[in-house]
Amino acid sequence: GAVVSQHPSRVICKSGTSVKIECRSLDFQATTMFWYRQFPKKSLMLMATSNEGSKATYEQGVEKDKFLINHASLTLSTLTVTSAHPEDSSFYICSARGQRFGNTEAFFGQGTRLTVV
Amino acid sequence: DQQVKQNSPSLSVQEGRISILNCDYTNSMFDYFLWYKKYPAEGPTFLISISSIKDKNEDGRFTVFLNKSAKHLSLHIVPSQPGDSAVYFCAAIFQGGSEKLVFGKGTKLTVNP
Repeated sequence: GAVVSQHPSRVICKSGTSVKIECRSLDFQATTMFWYRQFPKKSLMLMATSNEGSKATYEQGVEKDKFLINHASLTLSTLTVTSAHPEDSSFYICSARGQRFGNTEAFFGQGTRLTVV
Repeated sequence: DQQVKQNSPSLSVQEGRISILNCDYTNSMFDYFLWYKKYPAEGPTFLISISSIKDKNEDGRFTVFLNKSAKHLSLHIVPSQPGDSAVYFCAAIFQGGSEKLVFGKGTKLTVNP
């Protein structure tokens, strides 16, 4: 399978600050990247879909000004949680899909545990 | 509206036996299905997938069965091993549409030694 690297794996930040999470496809070009959030004991909630070079498409109920997504290259997408609050504490996971794998399977990063204090 | 349902939140199986994880879907437009395995505090790992034109796909100890008329798929793990203990997510996609993966809520599998 493909390798998707997500960094950092865990981060603690103060309320009101911003945090950036990186998602990189290491051995393929990711034409599409997805950002998920997992709440405790619940499924993965899709936050947004981003295609390289274009604006991200956000799911209903996700604040685009709070969760800034940038997909500047075919191997890197970033999620910035702006003005973080304790309720933003969660497990954030990215996934990437590319032509190399028939554009169907999505491979996931290892996730980022965000704690806002 | 939950389009992909995993009705069993947990399953416990003895080592060496078969584990059967079930998944139902409501959207008949889904044409590709995937199973992911997830350990706590890690991202999901792709396991196995199946296209809607097939009814079975096998990869080692893992077999996925698809019953389109019943809108049901299942993942069989034979023989089950303690290292298989994890949360298993079923996901579906409509390749001709938004192409977003729609996940079920997951089933926590525990394989007892």
